[in-house]
Amino acid sequence: QVQLVESGGGVVQPGRSLRLSCAASGFTFTTYAVHWVRQAPGKGLEWVAVISFDGSNEYYADSVKGRFTISRDNSKNTLYLQMNSLRAEDTAVYYCARDRDVWGSYRWLDYWGQGTLVTVSS
Amino acid sequence: DIQMTQSPSSVSASVGDRVTITCRASQGISSWLAWYQQKPGKAPNLLIYAASSLQSGVPSRFSGSGSGTDFTLTISSLQPEDFATYYCQQANSFPPKWTFGQGTKVEIK
Repeated sequence: QVQLVESGGGVVQPGRSLRLSCAASGFTFTTYAVHWVRQAPGKGLEWVAVISFDGSNEYYADSVKGRFTISRDNSKNTLYLQMNSLRAEDTAVYYCARDRDVWGSYRWLDYWGQGTLVTVSS
Repeated sequence: DIQMTQSPSSVSASVGDRVTITCRASQGISSWLAWYQQKPGKAPNLLIYAASSLQSGVPSRFSGSGSGTDFTLTISSLQPEDFATYYCQQANSFPPKWTFGQGTKVEIK
Protein backbone atom coordinates (compact mmCIF):
# COMPACT_ATOMS: atom_id res chain seq x y z
CA GLN A 1 0.00 0.00 0.00
CA VAL A 2 1.06 3.58 -0.59
CA GLN A 3 2.95 5.04 2.35
CA LEU A 4 4.55 8.41 2.95
CA VAL A 5 6.48 8.88 6.17
CA GLU A 6 7.82 12.29 7.15
CA SER A 7 10.67 12.91 9.56
CA GLY A 8 12.99 15.68 10.64
CA GLY A 9 10.63 18.00 12.48
CA GLY A 10 11.46 19.59 15.80
CA VAL A 11 12.06 22.84 17.62
CA VAL A 12 14.36 25.34 15.92
CA GLN A 13 15.30 28.94 16.63
CA PRO A 14 14.27 31.75 14.29
CA GLY A 15 16.75 32.25 11.49
CA ARG A 16 18.06 28.69 11.66
CA SER A 17 17.64 25.82 9.20
CA LEU A 18 15.96 22.43 9.19
CA ARG A 19 15.60 19.65 6.63
CA LEU A 20 12.54 17.47 6.41
CA SER A 21 12.45 14.07 4.72
CA CYS A 22 9.60 11.99 3.37
CA ALA A 23 10.16 8.31 2.65
CA ALA A 24 7.83 6.87 0.02
CA SER A 25 6.87 3.25 -0.55
CA GLY A 26 4.17 1.15 -2.14
CA PHE A 27 4.18 2.91 -5.50
CA THR A 28 6.56 3.84 -8.32
CA PHE A 29 8.00 6.99 -6.80
CA THR A 30 9.83 7.96 -9.99
CA THR A 31 6.57 8.52 -11.88
CA TYR A 32 4.82 10.92 -9.48
CA ALA A 33 5.18 14.56 -8.60
CA VAL A 34 5.19 15.13 -4.84
CA HIS A 35 4.24 18.10 -2.71
CA TRP A 36 4.68 19.66 0.70
CA VAL A 37 1.63 21.13 2.41
CA ARG A 38 1.64 22.68 5.87
CA GLN A 39 -0.89 23.42 8.57
CA ALA A 40 -0.25 25.88 11.38
CA PRO A 41 -1.68 24.82 14.76
CA GLY A 42 -5.46 25.16 14.70
CA LYS A 43 -5.38 26.67 11.21
CA GLY A 44 -6.14 25.64 7.65
CA LEU A 45 -4.02 24.07 4.94
CA GLU A 46 -1.32 25.92 2.99
CA TRP A 47 0.37 24.49 -0.08
CA VAL A 48 4.15 24.93 0.14
CA ALA A 49 5.93 23.39 -2.85
CA VAL A 50 5.90 20.71 -5.53
CA ILE A 51 8.61 18.90 -7.45
CA SER A 52 8.10 17.07 -10.74
CA PHE A 53 8.51 13.31 -11.03
CA ASP A 54 12.08 13.63 -12.33
CA GLY A 55 13.10 16.60 -10.23
CA SER A 56 13.45 18.89 -13.22
CA ASN A 57 10.78 21.37 -12.10
CA GLU A 58 10.04 22.95 -8.74
CA TYR A 59 7.36 25.43 -7.75
CA TYR A 60 6.88 27.29 -4.49
CA ALA A 61 4.35 29.34 -2.59
CA ASP A 62 5.32 33.00 -2.39
CA SER A 63 5.55 32.72 1.41
CA VAL A 64 8.53 30.34 1.21
CA LYS A 65 10.14 31.17 -2.14
CA GLY A 66 13.84 31.91 -1.72
CA ARG A 67 13.97 30.31 1.73
CA PHE A 68 12.77 26.73 1.15
CA THR A 69 14.08 24.21 -1.38
CA ILE A 70 12.27 21.05 -2.40
CA SER A 71 14.30 18.15 -3.78
CA ARG A 72 14.08 14.42 -4.28
CA ASP A 73 16.35 11.41 -4.50
CA ASN A 74 14.64 8.89 -6.76
CA SER A 75 17.26 6.26 -5.98
CA LYS A 76 16.15 6.41 -2.35
CA ASN A 77 12.42 7.06 -2.92
CA THR A 78 12.76 10.11 -0.71
CA LEU A 79 11.49 13.68 -0.85
CA TYR A 80 13.15 16.55 1.01
CA LEU A 81 12.36 20.06 2.14
CA GLN A 82 15.31 22.25 3.09
CA MET A 83 14.03 25.15 5.17
CA ASN A 84 16.34 28.12 5.75
CA SER A 85 15.85 31.44 7.52
CA LEU A 86 12.97 30.01 9.50
CA ARG A 87 10.39 32.33 11.00
CA ALA A 88 7.81 31.94 13.76
CA GLU A 89 5.10 31.88 11.09
CA ASP A 90 6.64 28.73 9.60
CA THR A 91 5.51 26.81 12.69
CA ALA A 92 3.24 24.07 11.38
CA VAL A 93 2.71 20.40 10.74
CA TYR A 94 4.35 19.65 7.40
CA TYR A 95 2.79 16.97 5.22
CA CYS A 96 4.22 15.37 2.13
CA ALA A 97 1.62 14.28 -0.38
CA ARG A 98 1.49 12.56 -3.73
CA ASP A 99 0.09 14.14 -6.86
CA ARG A 100 -2.89 12.03 -7.88
CA ASP A 101 -1.96 11.61 -11.53
CA VAL A 102 1.00 9.71 -12.94
CA TRP A 103 3.69 12.07 -14.30
CA GLY A 104 2.03 14.91 -12.38
CA SER A 105 -0.93 17.02 -13.28
CA TYR A 106 -0.25 19.40 -10.36
CA ARG A 107 -3.95 19.34 -9.49
CA TRP A 108 -4.87 17.09 -6.53
CA LEU A 109 -3.30 15.06 -3.75
CA ASP A 110 -4.44 11.50 -3.16
CA TYR A 111 -2.04 10.17 -0.51
CA TRP A 112 -0.64 12.07 2.43
CA GLY A 113 1.87 11.30 5.14
CA GLN A 114 1.05 11.64 8.84
CA GLY A 115 2.94 14.93 9.10
CA THR A 116 5.89 16.20 11.10
CA LEU A 117 5.70 19.20 13.43
CA VAL A 118 8.11 22.09 13.01
CA THR A 119 8.16 24.66 15.80
CA VAL A 120 10.13 27.86 15.29
CA SER A 121 10.73 29.49 18.63
CA SER A 122 13.51 31.07 20.64
CA ASP B 1 -3.71 34.86 -5.96
CA ILE B 2 -7.06 33.14 -6.12
CA GLN B 3 -8.95 33.32 -2.84
CA MET B 4 -11.28 30.51 -1.78
CA THR B 5 -14.13 31.26 0.62
CA GLN B 6 -16.10 28.47 2.25
CA SER B 7 -19.46 28.76 3.94
CA PRO B 8 -20.54 28.10 6.53
CA SER B 9 -17.47 27.99 8.78
CA SER B 10 -19.22 25.38 10.88
CA VAL B 11 -22.44 23.42 10.75
CA SER B 12 -24.21 21.33 13.37
CA ALA B 13 -26.07 18.36 12.00
CA SER B 14 -27.49 15.01 13.00
CA VAL B 15 -26.82 11.54 11.65
CA GLY B 16 -28.93 11.08 8.54
CA ASP B 17 -29.07 14.80 7.69
CA ARG B 18 -28.22 16.17 4.28
CA VAL B 19 -25.32 18.61 4.56
CA THR B 20 -24.21 21.13 1.94
CA ILE B 21 -20.97 23.12 2.02
CA THR B 22 -20.24 25.93 -0.42
CA CYS B 23 -16.92 27.15 -1.80
CA ARG B 24 -16.56 30.33 -3.82
CA ALA B 25 -13.47 31.30 -5.84
CA SER B 26 -12.41 34.93 -6.26
CA GLN B 27 -12.11 34.31 -10.01
CA GLY B 28 -13.19 31.60 -12.39
CA ILE B 29 -11.37 28.30 -11.99
CA SER B 30 -13.32 26.15 -14.46
CA SER B 31 -13.65 22.75 -12.73
CA TRP B 32 -10.22 22.77 -11.11
CA LEU B 33 -11.49 22.17 -7.61
CA ALA B 34 -11.04 19.43 -5.02
CA TRP B 35 -12.60 18.64 -1.64
CA TYR B 36 -10.74 17.08 1.28
CA GLN B 37 -11.90 15.71 4.63
CA GLN B 38 -9.69 16.04 7.68
CA LYS B 39 -10.26 14.45 11.07
CA PRO B 40 -8.48 15.74 14.20
CA GLY B 41 -4.82 14.76 14.30
CA LYS B 42 -4.98 13.13 10.88
CA ALA B 43 -3.90 14.05 7.36
CA PRO B 44 -6.48 15.27 4.86
CA ASN B 45 -8.23 12.73 2.65
CA LEU B 46 -9.19 13.45 -0.97
CA LEU B 47 -12.95 13.10 -1.51
CA ILE B 48 -13.74 14.86 -4.80
CA TYR B 49 -11.54 16.12 -7.64
CA ALA B 50 -12.30 18.00 -10.82
CA ALA B 51 -15.31 19.48 -8.99
CA SER B 52 -17.50 16.38 -9.28
CA SER B 53 -15.38 13.23 -9.68
CA LEU B 54 -15.51 10.86 -6.72
CA GLN B 55 -12.12 9.63 -5.57
CA SER B 56 -11.76 5.85 -5.49
CA GLY B 57 -12.89 4.34 -2.21
CA VAL B 58 -14.96 7.35 -1.12
CA PRO B 59 -18.60 6.56 -0.26
CA SER B 60 -21.19 7.61 -2.80
CA ARG B 61 -23.03 9.77 -0.25
CA PHE B 62 -20.39 12.40 -1.02
CA SER B 63 -20.91 14.41 -4.19
CA GLY B 64 -19.57 17.62 -5.68
CA SER B 65 -20.90 20.09 -8.19
CA GLY B 66 -20.22 23.47 -9.71
CA SER B 67 -17.90 25.23 -12.11
CA GLY B 68 -16.48 28.69 -12.60
CA THR B 69 -16.62 30.36 -9.20
CA ASP B 70 -19.27 28.49 -7.21
CA PHE B 71 -18.95 24.94 -5.94
CA THR B 72 -20.80 22.64 -3.56
CA LEU B 73 -19.97 19.56 -1.54
CA THR B 74 -23.00 17.55 -0.48
CA ILE B 75 -23.20 14.70 2.02
CA SER B 76 -26.53 13.07 1.28
CA SER B 77 -26.98 11.24 4.58
CA LEU B 78 -24.51 12.17 7.30
CA GLN B 79 -22.82 9.23 9.03
CA PRO B 80 -21.00 9.25 12.39
CA GLU B 81 -17.62 8.96 10.67
CA ASP B 82 -18.33 12.11 8.61
CA PHE B 83 -17.91 14.52 11.49
CA ALA B 84 -14.75 16.31 10.43
CA THR B 85 -13.44 19.49 8.81
CA TYR B 86 -13.82 19.87 5.05
CA TYR B 87 -11.57 21.96 2.80
CA CYS B 88 -11.90 23.01 -0.80
CA GLN B 89 -8.77 23.54 -2.90
CA GLN B 90 -8.35 25.28 -6.23
CA ALA B 91 -5.86 23.97 -8.78
CA ASN B 92 -6.50 26.37 -11.63
CA SER B 93 -3.21 28.17 -11.78
CA PHE B 94 0.03 27.13 -13.47
CA PRO B 95 2.72 27.32 -12.24
CA PRO B 96 0.90 25.91 -9.25
CA LYS B 97 -0.30 28.51 -6.71
CA TRP B 98 -2.79 26.31 -4.97
CA THR B 99 -5.02 27.78 -2.33
CA PHE B 100 -7.40 26.17 0.12
CA GLY B 101 -10.60 27.40 1.67
CA GLN B 102 -10.53 28.16 5.38
CA GLY B 103 -12.42 24.96 6.21
CA THR B 104 -15.90 23.97 7.33
CA LYS B 105 -16.29 22.00 10.53
CA VAL B 106 -19.18 19.54 10.59
CA GLU B 107 -20.20 18.96 14.19
CA ILE B 108 -22.67 16.71 15.94
CA LYS B 109 -25.98 18.40 16.77
